[in-house]
Amino acid sequence: IQLTQSPSSLSASVGDRVTITCRASQGISNYFAWYQQKPGEAPKLLIYAASTLQSGVPSRFSGSGSGTDFTLTITSLQPEDFATYYCQQLTYYSLTFGGGTKVEIK
Amino acid sequence: EVQLSDSGGGLVQPGESLRLSCAASGFTFSGYAVSWVRQAPGKGLEWVSAIGRDGVTHYADSVKGRCTISMDNSRNTLYLQMNSLRAEDSAVYYCARYSYDSSNFYGMDVWGLGTTVTVSS
Repeated sequence: IQLTQSPSSLSASVGDRVTITCRASQGISNYFAWYQQKPGEAPKLLIYAASTLQSGVPSRFSGSGSGTDFTLTITSLQPEDFATYYCQQLTYYSLTFGGGTKVEIK
Repeated sequence: EVQLSDSGGGLVQPGESLRLSCAASGFTFSGYAVSWVRQAPGKGLEWVSAIGRDGVTHYADSVKGRCTISMDNSRNTLYLQMNSLRAEDSAVYYCARYSYDSSNFYGMDVWGLGTTVTVSS
């Protein structure tokens, strides 16, 4: 299964609403997660089961979607949110990541 | 504290082998599936291999036949044996635990800090 993330990068300002999409080549139900990665750090789990916020993650992050189309939304972008975001899917035999979306400061 | 400590990376020549280790503390691997994920310099995340709660192993096509994932439950340690290394295997390698059931994937919630593998002559 392939995951296509868009856009690959975006520029936004503090306070903006940001939406990142991820499309799967086949339906994957709830076997879907979103991660945030900052330079030099390991990825951090934000959203699992497509729409459930991981403990400790701010509520400005939300996930939605099912089947083949998924969305990560950040309402009111904060300075600490400038990072790269990845989607991921799980099937029995593989875990695939999307290509990533780099969120930069405008 | 729940954490993963990955190690074993280094500089090797093409064709050589390396074994990466990932030690768990604060939890036992037996309750989770575990995976290796790598990131080449300036590139995105690439899943490499996983071992499920059932002990079944899975590999990305890019490493199939060259890598072996294993676990020593007595040491609570995960391994990745990498053989016939190529320049394109150069990356930071992370171990991560994850869980799932018949309805949901709960994500990779604990990650190691990463260990760097460089394959170069």
